Amino acid sequence: GAGVSQSPSNKVTEKGKDVELRCDPISGHTALYWYRQSLGQGLEFLIYFQGNSAPDKSGLPSDRFSAERTGGSVSTLTIQRTQQEDSAVYLCASSPQGGTSVLYEQYFGPGTRLTVT
Amino acid sequence: KNEVEQSPQNLTAQEGEFITINCSYSVGISALHWLQQHPGGGIVSLFMLSSGKKKHGRLIATINIQEKHSSLHITASHPRDSAVYICAVLPYNTDKLIFGTGTRLQVFP
Repeated sequence: GAGVSQSPSNKVTEKGKDVELRCDPISGHTALYWYRQSLGQGLEFLIYFQGNSAPDKSGLPSDRFSAERTGGSVSTLTIQRTQQEDSAVYLCASSPQGGTSVLYEQYFGPGTRLTVT
Repeated sequence: KNEVEQSPQNLTAQEGEFITINCSYSVGISALHWLQQHPGGGIVSLFMLSSGKKKHGRLIATINIQEKHSSLHITASHPRDSAVYICAVLPYNTDKLIFGTGTRLQVFP
């Protein structure tokens, strides 16, 4: 079946513009995660959605970052007033069940490479 | 000090060699993941484990909870194994993975 998809695959934007990144998780997966991978850095957790629960936003680096998940499926990560340090690959992952369950692995999308000029 | 540390950072090997990548962590965890990231950027989950050992083909992952240490082994390495291998831990009572910085492996024919 289809895996996690993300769009766009690449995005170049000017400093100060807003961007929206989209993630389509695997159908039926209740957990959805956003991560960021800056050049030369490790992966960094941003935000986590589990079912209808309030999302865990503790990883968002600033209030310019927000995310929503509509209908428990598609998620959009929005970055307002982009800065050059926002340049990174943004990865989305989904899982049949999230959180403290040790039984479920995460399936990653191909990522969106964001470049802020 | 990072909560998850991997060694080595870079590793080169000849085809056929046995590879070991290490991961040490400093927090109590409920699970540990090994991930593979290919040059094109795609990430694949290799293993998720909370105790003992798991094997999948030529890959073996072990974890020692008491010592807070995990190893990923690749037997009979092949150039297609060339990738970045990332260790990530799920601390107790959180939903957030903490990632190591990865080990870049290159296997030459």
